[in-house]
Amino acid sequence: DIQMTQSPASLSASLGETVTIECLASEDIYSNLAWYQQKPGKSPQLLIYYANSLNDGVPSRFSGSGSGTQYSLKINSLQSEDVSIYFCQQNYDSPYTFGAGTKLELK
Amino acid sequence: QVQLKESGPGLVQPSQTLSLTCTVSGFSLTSYNVHWVRQPTGKGLEWMGVIWTGGSTDYNSALKSRLSISRDTSKSQVFLKMNSLQTEDIATYYCARDPDTTGIPTGYFDYWGQGVMVTVSS
Repeated sequence: DIQMTQSPASLSASLGETVTIECLASEDIYSNLAWYQQKPGKSPQLLIYYANSLNDGVPSRFSGSGSGTQYSLKINSLQSEDVSIYFCQQNYDSPYTFGAGTKLELK
Repeated sequence: QVQLKESGPGLVQPSQTLSLTCTVSGFSLTSYNVHWVRQPTGKGLEWMGVIWTGGSTDYNSALKSRLSISRDTSKSQVFLKMNSLQTEDIATYYCARDPDTTGIPTGYFDYWGQGVMVTVSS
Protein backbone atom coordinates (compact mmCIF):
# COMPACT_ATOMS: atom_id res chain seq x y z
CA ASP A 1 0.00 0.00 0.00
CA ILE A 2 1.15 3.58 -0.65
CA GLN A 3 1.86 5.42 2.58
CA MET A 4 0.99 9.11 2.85
CA THR A 5 2.93 11.16 5.38
CA GLN A 6 1.34 14.51 6.12
CA SER A 7 2.94 17.39 8.01
CA PRO A 8 2.59 19.17 10.25
CA ALA A 9 0.07 17.30 12.40
CA SER A 10 -1.17 20.63 13.72
CA LEU A 11 -0.71 24.22 12.78
CA SER A 12 -1.60 27.52 14.38
CA ALA A 13 -1.76 30.63 12.23
CA SER A 14 -3.16 34.16 12.29
CA LEU A 15 -5.92 35.60 10.12
CA GLY A 16 -4.52 36.80 6.83
CA GLU A 17 -1.47 34.59 7.07
CA THR A 18 -0.39 32.08 4.41
CA VAL A 19 -0.10 28.45 5.49
CA THR A 20 1.32 25.40 3.76
CA ILE A 21 0.60 21.74 4.46
CA GLU A 22 2.84 19.04 3.04
CA CYS A 23 2.15 15.49 1.96
CA LEU A 24 4.78 12.91 1.08
CA ALA A 25 3.92 9.70 -0.74
CA SER A 26 5.96 6.53 -0.27
CA GLU A 27 6.26 6.20 -4.05
CA ASP A 28 5.59 8.26 -7.15
CA ILE A 29 1.84 8.89 -7.45
CA TYR A 30 2.04 10.91 -10.67
CA SER A 31 -0.02 13.84 -9.36
CA ASN A 32 -2.91 11.60 -8.36
CA LEU A 33 -3.35 13.55 -5.15
CA ALA A 34 -6.46 15.09 -3.63
CA TRP A 35 -6.92 17.41 -0.66
CA TYR A 36 -9.99 17.50 1.56
CA GLN A 37 -11.20 19.86 4.27
CA GLN A 38 -13.15 18.46 7.20
CA LYS A 39 -14.90 20.73 9.67
CA PRO A 40 -15.90 19.38 13.10
CA GLY A 41 -18.82 16.99 12.91
CA LYS A 42 -18.98 17.19 9.13
CA SER A 43 -17.97 14.99 6.25
CA PRO A 44 -14.82 15.78 4.26
CA GLN A 45 -15.16 18.18 1.35
CA LEU A 46 -13.02 18.00 -1.79
CA LEU A 47 -10.76 21.00 -2.27
CA ILE A 48 -8.14 19.98 -4.83
CA TYR A 49 -7.79 17.03 -7.20
CA TYR A 50 -4.97 15.88 -9.45
CA ALA A 51 -2.60 17.87 -7.25
CA ASN A 52 -3.51 21.33 -8.50
CA SER A 53 -7.09 21.41 -9.86
CA LEU A 54 -9.46 23.46 -7.75
CA ASN A 55 -12.84 21.86 -7.13
CA ASP A 56 -15.90 23.87 -8.11
CA GLY A 57 -16.87 26.45 -5.52
CA VAL A 58 -13.58 26.31 -3.62
CA PRO A 59 -12.13 29.76 -2.94
CA SER A 60 -9.11 30.69 -5.01
CA ARG A 61 -7.02 31.26 -1.87
CA PHE A 62 -6.61 27.48 -1.84
CA SER A 63 -4.02 26.03 -4.19
CA GLY A 64 -2.22 22.75 -4.63
CA SER A 65 1.14 21.90 -6.11
CA GLY A 66 3.69 19.15 -6.34
CA SER A 67 4.72 16.14 -8.34
CA GLY A 68 6.30 12.75 -7.88
CA THR A 69 6.16 12.00 -4.18
CA GLN A 70 5.94 15.53 -2.74
CA TYR A 71 2.81 17.66 -2.65
CA SER A 72 1.55 20.70 -0.81
CA LEU A 73 -1.63 22.60 -0.08
CA LYS A 74 -1.34 26.35 0.34
CA ILE A 75 -3.93 28.61 1.87
CA ASN A 76 -3.42 32.31 1.19
CA SER A 77 -4.90 34.99 3.42
CA LEU A 78 -6.24 32.63 6.08
CA GLN A 79 -9.88 33.16 6.99
CA SER A 80 -11.69 32.08 10.16
CA GLU A 81 -13.79 29.60 8.19
CA ASP A 82 -10.60 27.76 7.16
CA VAL A 83 -10.22 26.33 10.65
CA SER A 84 -10.53 22.63 9.88
CA ILE A 85 -8.66 19.39 9.54
CA TYR A 86 -7.06 18.88 6.14
CA PHE A 87 -6.33 15.47 4.62
CA CYS A 88 -4.35 14.48 1.57
CA GLN A 89 -5.24 11.33 -0.33
CA GLN A 90 -3.55 9.41 -3.12
CA ASN A 91 -5.80 8.11 -5.86
CA TYR A 92 -3.05 6.58 -7.95
CA ASP A 93 -3.46 3.02 -6.77
CA SER A 94 -5.93 0.94 -4.80
CA PRO A 95 -6.18 0.84 -1.83
CA TYR A 96 -6.55 4.59 -1.91
CA THR A 97 -4.85 5.98 1.18
CA PHE A 98 -5.02 9.16 3.20
CA GLY A 99 -2.60 11.21 5.22
CA ALA A 100 -3.21 11.39 8.96
CA GLY A 101 -4.48 14.94 8.73
CA THR A 102 -3.40 18.45 9.70
CA LYS A 103 -5.42 20.33 12.27
CA LEU A 104 -5.41 24.04 11.45
CA GLU A 105 -6.26 26.45 14.23
CA LEU A 106 -6.27 30.20 14.62
CA LYS A 107 -3.56 31.79 16.68
CA GLN B 1 -28.69 18.12 -6.69
CA VAL B 2 -26.29 15.34 -5.79
CA GLN B 3 -26.93 13.76 -2.41
CA LEU B 4 -25.81 10.63 -0.61
CA LYS B 5 -27.24 9.48 2.69
CA GLU B 6 -26.08 6.59 4.83
CA SER B 7 -28.42 4.67 7.07
CA GLY B 8 -28.20 1.67 9.33
CA PRO B 9 -28.00 0.58 12.93
CA GLY B 10 -25.80 2.66 15.15
CA LEU B 11 -25.03 -0.27 17.42
CA VAL B 12 -23.75 -3.68 16.45
CA GLN B 13 -22.81 -6.49 18.79
CA PRO B 14 -19.28 -7.89 18.67
CA SER B 15 -18.80 -10.62 16.06
CA GLN B 16 -22.04 -9.64 14.33
CA THR B 17 -22.55 -8.23 10.84
CA LEU B 18 -22.81 -4.56 10.00
CA SER B 19 -25.32 -3.65 7.28
CA LEU B 20 -25.42 -0.11 5.93
CA THR B 21 -27.33 1.48 3.07
CA CYS B 22 -26.28 4.48 1.01
CA THR B 23 -29.21 6.08 -0.79
CA VAL B 24 -28.21 8.44 -3.57
CA SER B 25 -30.08 11.08 -5.52
CA GLY B 26 -29.18 13.46 -8.30
CA PHE B 27 -27.16 10.86 -10.19
CA SER B 28 -27.37 7.29 -11.38
CA LEU B 29 -25.41 4.34 -9.99
CA THR B 30 -24.97 3.17 -13.57
CA SER B 31 -23.07 6.36 -14.37
CA TYR B 32 -21.01 6.95 -11.23
CA ASN B 33 -18.97 4.71 -8.96
CA VAL B 34 -19.64 4.83 -5.22
CA HIS B 35 -17.07 4.24 -2.52
CA TRP B 36 -17.22 3.54 1.19
CA VAL B 37 -14.79 5.30 3.53
CA ARG B 38 -14.68 5.07 7.32
CA GLN B 39 -13.22 7.22 10.06
CA PRO B 40 -12.69 6.21 13.68
CA THR B 41 -13.60 9.10 15.96
CA GLY B 42 -10.83 11.66 16.05
CA LYS B 43 -8.71 9.69 13.61
CA GLY B 44 -7.92 9.46 9.94
CA LEU B 45 -9.80 8.12 6.95
CA GLU B 46 -9.71 4.60 5.58
CA TRP B 47 -10.92 3.66 2.12
CA MET B 48 -12.96 0.48 2.30
CA GLY B 49 -14.07 -0.31 -1.21
CA VAL B 50 -15.93 0.74 -4.34
CA ILE B 51 -18.73 -0.52 -6.54
CA TRP B 52 -18.22 0.36 -10.15
CA THR B 53 -20.90 1.48 -12.58
CA GLY B 54 -20.96 -2.00 -14.08
CA GLY B 55 -21.53 -3.59 -10.69
CA SER B 56 -18.08 -5.04 -10.07
CA THR B 57 -16.27 -4.21 -6.87
CA ASP B 58 -12.83 -3.53 -5.46
CA TYR B 59 -12.01 -3.84 -1.79
CA ASN B 60 -9.27 -2.77 0.56
CA SER B 61 -7.24 -5.93 1.05
CA ALA B 62 -7.20 -5.26 4.81
CA LEU B 63 -10.99 -5.72 4.88
CA LYS B 64 -11.62 -7.92 1.87
CA SER B 65 -12.29 -11.11 3.79
CA ARG B 66 -15.08 -9.45 5.80
CA LEU B 67 -16.52 -6.90 3.39
CA SER B 68 -19.17 -6.99 0.68
CA ILE B 69 -20.53 -4.08 -1.36
CA SER B 70 -23.58 -4.43 -3.56
CA ARG B 71 -26.31 -2.24 -5.00
CA ASP B 72 -29.88 -1.96 -6.21
CA THR B 73 -29.84 0.47 -9.11
CA SER B 74 -33.64 0.64 -9.29
CA LYS B 75 -33.70 1.99 -5.75
CA SER B 76 -30.49 4.06 -6.12
CA GLN B 77 -29.02 2.25 -3.15
CA VAL B 78 -25.58 0.89 -2.38
CA PHE B 79 -25.15 -1.63 0.43
CA LEU B 80 -22.22 -2.39 2.69
CA LYS B 81 -22.01 -5.57 4.70
CA MET B 82 -19.10 -6.34 6.95
CA ASN B 83 -18.98 -9.35 9.23
CA SER B 84 -17.16 -10.25 12.42
CA LEU B 85 -17.30 -6.72 13.79
CA GLN B 86 -14.92 -5.81 16.59
CA THR B 87 -14.25 -2.68 18.63
CA GLU B 88 -11.64 -1.56 16.11
CA ASP B 89 -14.50 -1.19 13.61
CA ILE B 90 -16.07 1.60 15.67
CA ALA B 91 -16.17 4.52 13.25
CA THR B 92 -18.24 6.87 11.19
CA TYR B 93 -18.97 5.24 7.86
CA TYR B 94 -19.31 7.40 4.76
CA CYS B 95 -20.38 6.68 1.22
CA ALA B 96 -18.88 8.97 -1.38
CA ARG B 97 -19.21 9.50 -5.11
CA ASP B 98 -16.35 9.11 -7.54
CA PRO B 99 -16.53 11.92 -10.13
CA ASP B 100 -15.55 9.74 -13.08
CA THR B 101 -18.22 8.99 -15.67
CA THR B 102 -16.24 6.58 -17.85
CA GLY B 103 -16.73 3.66 -15.47
CA ILE B 104 -13.15 3.53 -14.25
CA PRO B 105 -12.85 4.99 -10.72
CA THR B 106 -10.67 8.05 -10.38
CA GLY B 107 -10.29 7.12 -6.75
CA TYR B 108 -11.12 10.47 -5.27
CA PHE B 109 -14.45 11.70 -3.97
CA ASP B 110 -16.41 14.76 -4.99
CA TYR B 111 -19.57 14.25 -2.91
CA TRP B 112 -19.85 12.62 0.49
CA GLY B 113 -22.75 11.54 2.61
CA GLN B 114 -23.21 12.89 6.12
CA GLY B 115 -21.91 9.67 7.61
CA VAL B 116 -23.35 7.17 10.05
CA MET B 117 -21.71 6.47 13.40
CA VAL B 118 -21.36 2.79 14.24
CA THR B 119 -20.53 1.49 17.70
CA VAL B 120 -19.63 -2.10 18.51
CA SER B 121 -20.76 -3.17 21.94
CA SER B 122 -22.68 -5.89 23.69
